[in-house]
Amino acid sequence: AQKVTQAQTEISVVEKEDVTLDCVYETRDTTYYLFWYKQPPSGELVFLIRRNSFDEQNEISGRYSWNFQKSTSSFNFTITASQVVDSAVYFCALSEALYGGATNKLIFGTGTLLAVQP
Amino acid sequence: GAVVSQHPSWVICKSGTSVKIECRSLDFQATTMFWYRQFPKQSLMLMATSNEGSKATYEQGVEKDKFLINHASLTLSTLTVTSAHPEDSSFYICSARDIQGNRNTEAFFGQGTRLTVV
Repeated sequence: AQKVTQAQTEISVVEKEDVTLDCVYETRDTTYYLFWYKQPPSGELVFLIRRNSFDEQNEISGRYSWNFQKSTSSFNFTITASQVVDSAVYFCALSEALYGGATNKLIFGTGTLLAVQP
Repeated sequence: GAVVSQHPSWVICKSGTSVKIECRSLDFQATTMFWYRQFPKQSLMLMATSNEGSKATYEQGVEKDKFLINHASLTLSTLTVTSAHPEDSSFYICSARDIQGNRNTEAFFGQGTRLTVV
């Protein structure tokens, strides 16, 4: 069975601090995708990243970076120099990879509420 | 990313009435659409997978007679909450798989519909 665990329910930091959101997953699939989403108070899900299970390279996008380690089944997300606008709920998700690169339904973690204080 | 549009963004209805929510793929054709539900301060859970031209596949515990799904075209799926009750109040959100299956469209969600049943 597939499962995503986000052990941190809430994190509070002060602006400009770095913060890492943890994500641990379980799957028996050999090919899968991992995702991170941001959900601001307005509710929409903002796509941040999709990572293929074969690609363990870490990725950096501006202040965001992701650390994927298959050995520990983790896909952690770090925000550098956090800002108040980063305040939101962040979800990690897992999906089976289908033939041709498509994904199946997403299995979401329980989310981490990040509060960045000014 | 691919554009998925939901309508309405929010709706308030009386207990016992039915509510229809639309999910449209605006710049691609979708043979499959996914309907998720999110209760307040909780994670997103898949309700059903909508297949164009055939019956939807419901997740365990989701009442198919209560949550009617129609996927009549390659760009539109509808979710009808029949005889809504206050416990159906939730955030409903959809995503869609491109007919070619290789554009990562499943990762992009509509803006969601917040349903409040009074």
